[in-house]
Amino acid sequence: AQSVTQLGSHVSVSEGALVLLRCNYSSSVPPYLFWYVQYPNQGLQLLLKYTSAATLVKGINGFEAEFKKSETSFHLTKPSAHMSDAAEYFCAVSPNFGNEKLTFGTGTRLTIIP
Amino acid sequence: GAGVSQSPSNKVTEKGKDVELRCDPISGHTALYWYRQSLGQGLEFLIYFQGNSAPDKSGLPSDRFSAERTGGSVSTLTIQRTQQEDSAVYLCACRNTDTQYFGPGTRLTVL
Repeated sequence: AQSVTQLGSHVSVSEGALVLLRCNYSSSVPPYLFWYVQYPNQGLQLLLKYTSAATLVKGINGFEAEFKKSETSFHLTKPSAHMSDAAEYFCAVSPNFGNEKLTFGTGTRLTIIP
Repeated sequence: GAGVSQSPSNKVTEKGKDVELRCDPISGHTALYWYRQSLGQGLEFLIYFQGNSAPDKSGLPSDRFSAERTGGSVSTLTIQRTQQEDSAVYLCACRNTDTQYFGPGTRLTVL
């Protein structure tokens, strides 16, 4: 069975500060990992994905994540937070080439302080 | 259209009534998924269709829930005899290679 754990259901950062959202996974096989963002009253939008190519993955809106097998982590970062980054972020895992259901973390709500 | 569409966007129903939720996936995406997003349970997988294979129904919470996909395209999720705990946002997603693309969801409220 696979699972992801997102540490911190709520994270607040000041505008311009570093954003760090944590995700740890558990998987018996090499995982496929995803970060999705959900803006208020909208569906999920893919930010970035790791599919066993480069361990440092760059996504949209200046976000990136690094796959660290030794730490079973896939933390999401952005060097400088913007007000428009306020949203809920979900880490998700899939066991193989995307043809299985995604297992989501519980989400992290990001608040940006002006 | 360019993305996944779902209808209705909002549905309010009375306890005990049946509801149908519709998903129009991106053309050519052969895999289709339904998820449920609720306050107490987060995002949960419900059912998965892949081409002509038998669907993976392992996430359906009860036999009141069913889904079908006609012609490999449009999908309908049906909830019979709705209960208040069915209140949630129901999300549809379709897949191209290794990425799932989500629709905006249908917010279901059972009174």
